[in-house]
Amino acid sequence: KNEVEQSPQNLTAQEGEFITINCSYSVGISALHWLQQHPGGGIVSLFMLSSGKKKHGRLIATINIQEKHSSLHITASHPRDSAVYICAVSDNNNDMRFGAGTRLTVKP
Amino acid sequence: NAGVMQNPRHLVRRRGQEARLRCSPMKGHSHVYWYRQLPEEGLKFMVYLQKENIIDESGMPKERFSAEFPKEGPSILRIQQVVRGDSAAYFCASSPSITSYNEQFFGPGTRLTVL
Repeated sequence: KNEVEQSPQNLTAQEGEFITINCSYSVGISALHWLQQHPGGGIVSLFMLSSGKKKHGRLIATINIQEKHSSLHITASHPRDSAVYICAVSDNNNDMRFGAGTRLTVKP
Repeated sequence: NAGVMQNPRHLVRRRGQEARLRCSPMKGHSHVYWYRQLPEEGLKFMVYLQKENIIDESGMPKERFSAEFPKEGPSILRIQQVVRGDSAAYFCASSPSITSYNEQFFGPGTRLTVL
């Protein structure tokens, strides 16, 4: 079993839909990261959080430390949101462990 | 403030050659991380370095791979005698300091192809 599990693996949505990507982890963490990898391969760090909730534009990330679970939400999705979204955790040694990613396709 | 820079962006090597991948962290960042993304696979941690020190190399293959982060200049990931299985995207990330709040900034990656 992977230490960081993401669901779903693949997600197709229509433009404008509300999207949720989930991440569960089994190790002790100091922080959780949500990353976005574009079709060209570049990686962008979207959020880093250790508690509560963060919002940036149409993106919202939440974390529940007790349940070892995080969600990434995209409101009013757009085709340009199409990418792979990766959940990663920094463990207590500050090593990062990655989920397998969720491939999101938003259709116009 | 320039972001994390990696070069080359694309590197082609024949089996048995050496590959050198360079990573220049963001200004003011003294911590560098290397990750590998094999085709159709997720990112995997390789090594974590501070200036002149390897802090954690638990993700590095035991042979042929080495990394350094000298006092001056970029961090180098070196792969000797490359094999086809080394073909992957190699990402570097940097962070300003080691705290429990360890935000990392990623470079654009180097795509290594071994013929």
